[in-house]
Amino acid sequence: QKEVEQDPGPLSVPEGAIVSLNCTYSNSAFQYFMWYRQYSRKGPELLMYTYSSGNKEDGRFTAQVDKSSKYISLFIRDSQPSDSATYLCALNTGGFKTIFGAGTRLFVKA
Amino acid sequence: EADIYQTPRYLVIGTGKKITLECSQTMGHDKMYWYQQDPGMELHLIHYSYGVNSTEKGDLSSESTVSRIRTEHFPLTLESARPSHTSQYLCASSETGGARETQYFGPGTRLLVL
Repeated sequence: QKEVEQDPGPLSVPEGAIVSLNCTYSNSAFQYFMWYRQYSRKGPELLMYTYSSGNKEDGRFTAQVDKSSKYISLFIRDSQPSDSATYLCALNTGGFKTIFGAGTRLFVKA
Repeated sequence: EADIYQTPRYLVIGTGKKITLECSQTMGHDKMYWYQQDPGMELHLIHYSYGVNSTEKGDLSSESTVSRIRTEHFPLTLESARPSHTSQYLCASSETGGARETQYFGPGTRLLVL
């Protein structure tokens, strides 16, 4: 069983839609939760960083962590064609090693 | 925007050749990492470094080696390239303390071994 499970998609939505991206994990020791965005032929860029449970909002993006369910989410409001990318969740226990999900490909149609 | 650079961006090379992928960062980060990424797959950690003269192998069995002589520089070397090495290689760095383990990635090197 993988430590982190992420639906690869692709997920196709119309412009303006609310997008929900999710990951589930098995290791309860994870404390740090990140979301990265990766455009085609580029390296991942950090989008959101959350420590422990709860919500964090940054503009159109909201990251949610539910440690009791071992479930993390990224919500994108008013999605734009420029949001079309692959979104990777990443989890860390506090040590050197970060576990990445395989990524969900998102397409936002104009 | 993160200041981490990788060269070359693309490389096509024949089997058996020795290659070095370059990675440099100007953020003064202590920790640096090399990942391998294939389409639709997770990032696999190949090597990491805590600081100068400190390197360790990651989870993915690799025929590559790394060195960390300077804080800002973390090159990856393949002594004898094989078609199985065809992949995208990503370099990353992170700082100690603060928002720990938030890694900053370079643009990647796409390697094709014929």
